Amino acid sequence: DAMVIQNPRYQVTQFGKPVTLSCSQTLNHNVMYWYQQKSSQAPKLLFHYYDKDFNNEADTPDNFQSRRPNTSFCFLDIRSPGLGDAAMYLCATSRTKGISRYNEQFFGPGTRLTVL
Amino acid sequence: KQEVTQIPAALSVPEGENLVLNCSFTDSAIYNLQWFRQDPGKGLTSLLLIQSSQREQTSGRLNASLDKSSGRSTLYIAASQPGDSATYLCAVGNNAGNMLTFGGGTRLMVKP
Repeated sequence: DAMVIQNPRYQVTQFGKPVTLSCSQTLNHNVMYWYQQKSSQAPKLLFHYYDKDFNNEADTPDNFQSRRPNTSFCFLDIRSPGLGDAAMYLCATSRTKGISRYNEQFFGPGTRLTVL
Repeated sequence: KQEVTQIPAALSVPEGENLVLNCSFTDSAIYNLQWFRQDPGKGLTSLLLIQSSQREQTSGRLNASLDKSSGRSTLYIAASQPGDSATYLCAVGNNAGNMLTFGGGTRLMVKP
C-alpha cells in the first residue's frame, strides 16, 4: 500500500546531541511537511518542501533544519536538542498544495522524541 | 493570523448516541478543511476532506459540513461505537501561506 513511513518510531537522545528523524513516502507526492506536536497540543508546522523548494515557517527555531535529497525522502535534523524539543514529530505529504483537488495531506505514524 | 477552535475539548457519551463535534475558524480565506482522528501516541488519520467550494462530505457514519461564511465546520458521528474513542482534530488550509492550522482537538470517549 502507498504510504508515509517514519523511522524510528521512538527516538531517545541526550541534551545537545544532534538527532535526525526520517520520513519516506511511496505516494510520489510533490509536497512533504514536518509538524511538531507537543503533549496535549495541536500539531504545528515547522517547514515544508514543494519539490526542492524549501519553505520555513517564521517561528521555527534555527535549531531545526530539513533535507530532501529526492522525492521519496525527507529528513528532520535537530542540531542541539533541548528538553523543550521533546515531542511527537509528524511527517505529512500532499500531491500539491493550495487551491486544488489534490491538496489533501496524508500523515505518517510519527516519531516520538525523548530528550534526556 | 488564522485561529481554529474546537468545542468541546472533551466529550463522553454512551455507545449508540449520535454526536456533533464543532470547529470554528477566524479567517474564511481557506482552501480546504480536513478532519483527522488521532489515537493516543499515534499519528493522524484523515477522515474527511472538504474543499472550499463544497458544503459537506460523507464517509460511512461520518458527515462533515462546512460553512465558510460563518467560519464553522461540524463533524457528525452517527451511532457511536467504543472504537470511535480518540481525539478528533480539525485543520484548515489557509490561502495565505498554504499551510494547515489545527484546532486543539476534541477528546471523545464512547462508553460501552
